[in-house]
Formats: sequence, C-alpha cells, structure tokens
Amino acid sequence: QLQLQESGPGLVKPSETLSLTCTVSGGSISSSSYYWGWIRQPPGKGLEWIGSIYYSGSTYYNPSLKSRVTISVDTSKNQFSLKLSSVTAADTAFYYCAGQRSACYDFWGQGTLVTVSS
Amino acid sequence: QSALTQPASVSGSPGQSITISCTGTSSDVGGYNYVSWYQQHPGKAPKLMIYDVSNRPSGVSNRFSASKSGNTASLTISGLQAEDEADYYCSSYTSSSTYVFGTGTKVTVI
Repeated sequence: QLQLQESGPGLVKPSETLSLTCTVSGGSISSSSYYWGWIRQPPGKGLEWIGSIYYSGSTYYNPSLKSRVTISVDTSKNQFSLKLSSVTAADTAFYYCAGQRSACYDFWGQGTLVTVSS
Repeated sequence: QSALTQPASVSGSPGQSITISCTGTSSDVGGYNYVSWYQQHPGKAPKLMIYDVSNRPSGVSNRFSASKSGNTASLTISGLQAEDEADYYCSSYTSSSTYVFGTGTKVTVI
C-alpha cells in the first residue's frame, strides 16, 4: 500500500517560490505503473490539477500554471517535488501529492496548507 | 482548461438515491473513458470512488455507481447513508494530456 507525505514551508512570501516535496513509501517511485501528481485546493474551494510526472522525467502541467510550475523527481530518495514561482495570495491552498495509476489518483497524501503572505 | 460543471449541492434522505452530474466537452468527458470520481470529507484528502467512468476500486461500496453519456458523466449513490455526506468531485483526462476536476458537489443527507 503506497503512502505519500508532503513536506515544505507552510508560509511563503509573495513573489517568492513555493517548494514542496512528496515522499513515497510502500513502493518505488520508479514503478512503471504510476505517474505522480500535485493537486491543490484553496480553503473552502474546489480541487485544481497542477501537474504530474513520470519517473523517467516526462511532465504534464496545467496550462494556466505552466509558466510558473516545475515538477521533478528524485528516484534515489523516492521523492518528487513541486516548485511554483512568483506566488501571490491566490496560490494559498492545501497542496496534495498523489499517485496516479491509469487515469485516476488512487493514493493521496494528507495535504499541506501553504499560505502566501508577507 | 475550464473546470467540469457539477451542481453545487444535492440532498437526499437516508435510503434514497441521488445522482450527481458532471458536464464537460468532447475534449474531455466526451472524448475519453477516463472519468473518475472522488469523495472528500471535511479536513480530509480526497478518496477515489470511481475510475474509468464506472469502475469501483476495491473496498468502495457497491452503493456507488457511475456512467457516462456524451459529454456528461454521472455518479449515483444508492441507499444514501449519513456517512455519504461529503463533497464529491469528478475528474477527466483531456485532449491536451492534462486533467481537469469538476466544480464539486456538496451532498447533504437530510
């Protein structure tokens, strides 16, 4: 059973870069069965797909965030990461990492709240 | 990409059946059999309930069923129970090799 855990700063200043890491346990991030993704949810609002990555490094991003998003994978640490640049208050949200098999996310981290504020 | 359209809220009494719709376009819902549904209780991470339009993961109650017709997918909860009260989101693969979520539906058990 895969388990995912997000980590990173809970507070980021406007215009800076948000950086989060997701640690995968209970399985290998290099599994050919999975893509690894990031989804966010502003408090009290709906889910927004940010993007996903395959262990080989292939990435797919939400067009509305593409210019600011980078998702990378570190197979040696069984981790993948999210960087979102030039953040504003609109980027305040719960950020979830998730494992994607087929075309759905069947394993989720617990989520971490990132607040953008000076 | 625009969010898929769901009703903001749906309610029902215990034991009843309710249906949540999820409307997209031919570039997402209508174009692929890659619609999934998620249940989210307050303060919790979403949980996969349905994948590939109508398939239930192991452990998900058979009270949950789903289908698709054209650009609209639907989730039906039969025999509504108090524990079903939650937010529900649909999601679809898109022609841009991306994913899009629905606007979300709050299910209330009256």
